Amino acid sequence: DAGVTQSPTHLIKTRGQQVTLRCSPKSGHDTVSWYQQALGQGPQFIFQYYEEEERQRGNFPDRFSGHQFPNYSSELNVNALLLGDSALYLCASSLPGIHDNEQFFGPGTRLTVL
Amino acid sequence: KNEVEQSPQNLTAQEGEFITINCSYSVGISALHWLQQHPGGGIVSLFMLSSGKKKHGRLIATINIQEKHSSLHITASHPRDSAVYICAVRFGNQFYFGTGTSLTVIP
Repeated sequence: DAGVTQSPTHLIKTRGQQVTLRCSPKSGHDTVSWYQQALGQGPQFIFQYYEEEERQRGNFPDRFSGHQFPNYSSELNVNALLLGDSALYLCASSLPGIHDNEQFFGPGTRLTVL
Repeated sequence: KNEVEQSPQNLTAQEGEFITINCSYSVGISALHWLQQHPGGGIVSLFMLSSGKKKHGRLIATINIQEKHSSLHITASHPRDSAVYICAVRFGNQFYFGTGTSLTVIP
């Protein structure tokens, strides 16, 4: 079992550009959540995908969008990049359901915006 | 306003010491998670608990739902325990994270 995988591991972009980050969930998981972690801060919830739909969203602007594919993998897209978007982007997968489930985190993608 | 508060922010201990990290939260939750993050970013889930106490090796986590408080204890600390420990709570479908406690254990 490969666990949660993310790509790329590091990325450098310039202001105004667009970026796509990818996540493959742990085998058997069909719920994917994305988080942004600025340096020295705890992760901030961006959104969660289940059954190819955005189920819940945190306090992030519309520049942040996502997608989930039929194989449960997911993409995070960020448009019109700002310097403040520089952060570690974490993906986590879990089993669905109303009961709380353990989240399994990927290694993250470190995005630097210059 | 941060729904999850952790203390202390930074902690340095000598190898072998007993360590306690505290987490307080302000929302009604279904479960609380303790996570460990090593340099480089990888996050590992240590505990998920909704009541009482859980133990795994030298790690013990407790939660008091009425007081909205949880503690993570590390017995006989070791330099390999050096990491950032993050408390997270789930409210509905959303997770709220603390800013983390950076632990350094000196040999």
